Amino acid sequence: DAGVIQSPRHEVTEMGQEVTLRCKPISGHNSLFWYRQTMMRGLELLIYFNNNVPIDDSGMPEDRFSAKMPNASFSTLKIQPSEPRDSAVYFCASRGGQGSQPQHFGDGTRLSIL
Amino acid sequence: AQKVTQAQTEISVVEKEDVTLDCVYETRDTTYYLFWYKQPPSGELVFLIRRNSFDEQNEISGRYSWNFQKSTSSFNFTITASQVVDSAVYFCALSYLDTGRRALTFGSGTRLQVQP
Repeated sequence: DAGVIQSPRHEVTEMGQEVTLRCKPISGHNSLFWYRQTMMRGLELLIYFNNNVPIDDSGMPEDRFSAKMPNASFSTLKIQPSEPRDSAVYFCASRGGQGSQPQHFGDGTRLSIL
Repeated sequence: AQKVTQAQTEISVVEKEDVTLDCVYETRDTTYYLFWYKQPPSGELVFLIRRNSFDEQNEISGRYSWNFQKSTSSFNFTITASQVVDSAVYFCALSYLDTGRRALTFGSGTRLQVQP
């Protein structure tokens, strides 16, 4: 079975450029999460969708970050304009059912902003 | 507010030693779920186990075992006869049943190094 698929795996870009990270959740899962992992802050939830609707975006750092989920099989996380402090590993995870079920993570996107 | 504390930042053991990773959590809810995830050097996050707040039975899966104690708000993870392949960062996490609540709250992780 296909797991959560993220693209790209690595992204290196210059400050000020727009960055778009993509995620395809596991088929049938109704919740999707975007996390960011840094050495300083660990794993932080950025935003959480349930049935394609954003439920909790309190973790989105600022207006430069935006996320969409136009359908059940695709989500994007966009950073515009990007800054060096956005460098991190960004994970997408999906979950079926309620909070009792485990989240399944993609392999992450390692983002470097120069 | 919910919080997960993994006080051990890094642990180093020699192969075949047993090792216990500690996890202490805080929550005001009576229904919640606890998880352990493994992050090997390759970077992916791998789900290991889930435990609900009503089930305090210990669980064993091969060399892995988990000890959940509500009285001390702890959910500790023991690896018996550790192997080099167990080297990874291990995260404990907490979530609620209600989908309207916040998603997984992770601890800061414990880096386990198993030396040959």
